[in-house]
Amino acid sequence: AQKITQTQPGMFVQEKEAVTLDCTYDTSDQSYGLFWYKQPSSGEMIFLIYQGSYDEQNATEGRYSLNFQKARKSANLVISASQLGDSAMYFCAISSTGGFKTIFGAGTRLFVKA
Amino acid sequence: GAVVSQHPSWVICKSGTSVKIECRSLDFQATTMFWYRQFPKQSLMLMATSNEGSKATYEQGVEKDKFLINHASLTLSTLTVTSAHPEDSSFYICSARNLGGRDQYFGAGTRLSVL
Repeated sequence: AQKITQTQPGMFVQEKEAVTLDCTYDTSDQSYGLFWYKQPSSGEMIFLIYQGSYDEQNATEGRYSLNFQKARKSANLVISASQLGDSAMYFCAISSTGGFKTIFGAGTRLFVKA
Repeated sequence: GAVVSQHPSWVICKSGTSVKIECRSLDFQATTMFWYRQFPKQSLMLMATSNEGSKATYEQGVEKDKFLINHASLTLSTLTVTSAHPEDSSFYICSARNLGGRDQYFGAGTRLSVL
C-alpha cells in the first residue's frame, strides 16, 4: 500500500520569497515516482514536477524544485521567487513505476501575499 | 502537451436523474483512464480505473452500479452517475494515460450539483 502525507494544511509566503511544501510518503515498492500538482480555484490539475525513485539528482522545472530525500521518504516541493499566481492547492502524489494507481496527499493550500 | 477534454464542466440536475460525464483524450490514445471524486477542500479520491475495451476496476467502497464507467474507445471514457442524489454532489475529475506512459493528463473537472 502507498500513502502520502502532507502535514501543512495551509502556508503563507511573501511574494518573491521561496517556500517549501512538505511531503512524506510510504511505499513498499522499490520503483516508484513522485509527482506534484497545482490545483487553482478553477479546479484543473496542473502537473508541476516529477521525481523517479532511482533518479540521483533532484528534479527541477523552472521555479519548482523537488528536495528528494529517499532515506527519509520525503519529497518536498520548493517554489522559488513566489508569485501571486502561485496561490493554489498543491498536491503531492505517488505512483508505482508501471503501475496504474496514483495516490494523492491531502494537499497544502498556499497563499502568496503581496 | 497532451490534452484531455472533460464535458460538461458544470451540471445541475434533479434528484433521481442520471448524469453522464465525458472524458476525451484529444491528441493521444488513452489506454487507461481514471475517475476521481473530490469533495470541497479535500484531496482527490480515486473511484475507478478503466482500460479500453474492458470493465472498470472500482476502488473499495465505490458502488459500480451507481457510477457506471464505459471506456469503449482509446479516446473516450464516460462516467454516468445513475439516480443521482444530493450526496453525489461533488467535483469529478478524469485523467488519462497512454500505454507505458508515466504521466497522467487531467481533464478540467465537472462540478455536479444534485438538487
